[in-house]
Amino acid sequence: GQQLNQSPQSMFIQEGEDVSMNCTSSSIFNTWLWYKQDPGEGPVLLIALYKAGELTSNGRLTAQFGITRKDSFLNISASIPSDVGIYFCAGRGGSNYKLTFGKGTLLTVNP
Amino acid sequence: GAGVSQTPSNKVTEKGKYVELRCDPISGHTALYWYRQSLGQGPEFLIYFQGTGAADDSGLPNDRFFAVRPEGSVSTLKIQRTERGDSAVYLCASSLIGTSGRASFTDTQYFGPGTRLTVL
Repeated sequence: GQQLNQSPQSMFIQEGEDVSMNCTSSSIFNTWLWYKQDPGEGPVLLIALYKAGELTSNGRLTAQFGITRKDSFLNISASIPSDVGIYFCAGRGGSNYKLTFGKGTLLTVNP
Repeated sequence: GAGVSQTPSNKVTEKGKYVELRCDPISGHTALYWYRQSLGQGPEFLIYFQGTGAADDSGLPNDRFFAVRPEGSVSTLKIQRTERGDSAVYLCASSLIGTSGRASFTDTQYFGPGTRLTVL
């Protein structure tokens, strides 16, 4: 099935550094979502974006819905060890339910 | 409150066997979704229920896969004649509304912890 282009695949950073990851699609989406998945758990929603150009923050996380509606980025500022995990972007298109996910970005934070 | 629960958490079976995976959605959620997540990949959509009916089963890979939700709450994903390629984590999610109404635009899907299926 279709998966979004998410990069980078993995990141290894020092605690306190900022992180940026992005996601692109060949299709237009009406909603962009960013999830975090810890080992043995299901994805947990971090940020939801509903409008092209929208910039939304959730604590140290900031995400933007690209103007073309085909891309989104997620920034994490001042990373901490508990930020470790896999981050997924997901898009929702004409249908209001089906989510299309990226392949994930594995984030490792060195204390 | 209780989130989405899935049982079993792990299932090991032999090639050719039949398996059932269960999902208990958040109470009151009318929409239920199944996704499959292979190693190193993001979740991929399988099937969506609105109430008791399967509104979209376009993600089911073949006719060995079937899912039911007879009373509009608990759902069971059934896999016949399992193959090694079926090995993956099967995730269930539920949401309050699904497709009905404007509120569906912001309808959040909450995921369970998944069932890890291993076919030997």
